[in-house]
Amino acid sequence: GAVVSQHPSWVICKSGTSVKIECRSLDFQATTMFWYRQFPKQSLMLMATSNEGSKATYEQGVEKDKFLINHASLTLSTLTVTSAHPEDSSFYICSAPLSAGGPNEQYFGPGTRLTVT
Amino acid sequence: AQKVTQAQTEISVVEKEDVTLDCVYETRDTTYYLFWYKQPPSGELVFLIRRNSFDEQNEISGRYSWNFQKSTSSFNFTITASQVVDSAVYFCALGWTGRRALTFGSGTRLQVQP
Repeated sequence: GAVVSQHPSWVICKSGTSVKIECRSLDFQATTMFWYRQFPKQSLMLMATSNEGSKATYEQGVEKDKFLINHASLTLSTLTVTSAHPEDSSFYICSAPLSAGGPNEQYFGPGTRLTVT
Repeated sequence: AQKVTQAQTEISVVEKEDVTLDCVYETRDTTYYLFWYKQPPSGELVFLIRRNSFDEQNEISGRYSWNFQKSTSSFNFTITASQVVDSAVYFCALGWTGRRALTFGSGTRLQVQP
């Protein structure tokens, strides 16, 4: 079946540094990918929609200059957390809709746990 | 507003008990999709079911069953004869045409004690 991978699965970085998280669709092409953020013991909240060949669309309240999204190819989207701070520590999950699948049907990556010290 | 409410924050049961997780949704769309996902401690979301708004038939899959009632805007999930491996956070989610991402409820943490 369709698989979405994320790399790294966890990362620890110092405050002020930048971190890049990759999301790949392994056996299908994804013109759109979604980035969600999940704080401890909370729900998943959509951060942004990554579009291949065009700019990402950010949800209200998400700083586009802080969370840089690049959809470099039909199988890869990257999320870069710039100048990370402890409050950015969270679980980041990407998903990709399967174009041949039903509406809203999507595959989720395993997530990346970011800890900023 | 498009919204999903999971009023039960945490449920604790003893193994072999039946347990029902509640999900109430709000949407102005007539075509929409409801999902349940399981999130074990590893964090990876496990897809359980997808149901569209035109199909109110209840679904059973092994020990899992779902009750979809449009009249009460609910899509409840029942685990029969719960097992320790069922311990996880369960999310109900809503999707609708025009927005391919999902809106998630706050989740219900289920603990099944041996």
